[in-house]
Amino acid sequence: DSGVTQTPKHLITATGQRVTLRCSPRSGDLSVYWYQQSLDQGLQFLIQYYNGEERAKGNILERFSAQQFPDLHSELNLSSLELGDSALYFCASSVGNRGGTDTQYFGPGTRLTVL
Amino acid sequence: AQSVTQLDSHVSVSEGTPVLLRCNYSSSYSPSLFWYVQHPNKGLQLLLKYTSAATLVKGINGFEAEFKKSETSFHLTKPSAHMSDAAEYFCVVSVDYGQNFVFGPGTSLSVLT
Repeated sequence: DSGVTQTPKHLITATGQRVTLRCSPRSGDLSVYWYQQSLDQGLQFLIQYYNGEERAKGNILERFSAQQFPDLHSELNLSSLELGDSALYFCASSVGNRGGTDTQYFGPGTRLTVL
Repeated sequence: AQSVTQLDSHVSVSEGTPVLLRCNYSSSYSPSLFWYVQHPNKGLQLLLKYTSAATLVKGINGFEAEFKKSETSFHLTKPSAHMSDAAEYFCVVSVDYGQNFVFGPGTSLSVLT
């Protein structure tokens, strides 16, 4: 158990809908990262927050947004969902801001299915 | 920009025999390198990491990896495979303040009895 929690475990929704995925980092970690894992794209970095501020952006679609709250939990919002958004979404956390050398600890993921 | 190549999409070994999972990277700067393992329907677990200290890195569950700058490689090895090692393995490259983690495509390891 990494100490990173994600809810829900599974989410099934329809095209055009909006969902929110939640992540609580390990105790003491200030950075939260979001990743998308799909069969065709593999594991892709979406976005990083550090202590409430956006730090780095990867291949995140404009339909997606995230935020990190004062208690350091984070939410990933996915809107106008398409079939291709079906994937496993991982959250990870690390102690600091140095995305490069900090070890990232991953949560169990949220499996999103868009029908 | 960084990139990672995992040369084998699937590797099969017999239980008790050595494991070799290959990883080559490309990076404009001194990289940090990681290996993560993903068991079916589970999250990713860190096996080991290299951050410019010793070139031979020991990880959990008997795994180790050697950083070879001249070959831009970071291959993962284990002397004797166990059934519980069957999983997907990801090599990751990263640089400070860069694109964050860049994952390789993964290598699926099967362990045969």
